[in-house]
Amino acid sequence: AQTVTQSQPEMSVQEAETVTLSCTYDTSESDYYLFWYKQPPSRQMILVIRQEAYKQQNATENRFSVNFQKAAKSFSLKISDSQLGDAAMYFCAYRFRDTPLVFGKGTRLSVIA
Amino acid sequence: DAEITQSPRHKITETGRQVTLACHQTWNHNNMFWYRQDLGHGLRLIHYSYGVQDTNKGEVSDGYSVSRSNTEDLPLTLESAASSQTSVYFCASSEGQRGSSYEQYFGPGTRLTVT
Repeated sequence: AQTVTQSQPEMSVQEAETVTLSCTYDTSESDYYLFWYKQPPSRQMILVIRQEAYKQQNATENRFSVNFQKAAKSFSLKISDSQLGDAAMYFCAYRFRDTPLVFGKGTRLSVIA
Repeated sequence: DAEITQSPRHKITETGRQVTLACHQTWNHNNMFWYRQDLGHGLRLIHYSYGVQDTNKGEVSDGYSVSRSNTEDLPLTLESAASSQTSVYFCASSEGQRGSSYEQYFGPGTRLTVT
């Protein structure tokens, strides 16, 4: 079965600095999707960024980028120029085709003013 | 605009009662999912459906049931509520066609407390 591991339960970053959240996963598939979701105190699940495994280029969305290492099964999220609004729970998730998402346990990010 | 809604948003019930949480989506998605979120566990899959009349068990399905009679709705029923089912419940939906991004769209969540 596929598993997703987030080894950092909590992280903190100074406002305007850069932080990297770690995620590793286990799968025997070669064609899959990886996601980072943000969950602010409102509890709404917000998609931050998506990576298709067959694409070698790392995905980027404004201040958010990923470091996708397929051979190492690693998928880290980098947040640049951190803002107070980035404070939230962040979940890494894996999906093979249209099967249900498999989530990591999450990393709580605090942003210090 | 298309959306996915859940009701109620908050529910308090007593042990042993039957409870149904509603999920309604207007995306016309074939695939629908129920997850529960607990501290230290992330989101775990309860049940899911790939279309009308189709339902499948997830990782933590004991004590829960679903039925899919139309495309838009996937209600989640707790047959006899237990304190261990106190949690936040999320419904999600996605397209099923190969070639789509398979992105899941989430509802706002329902906080259920079983006393």
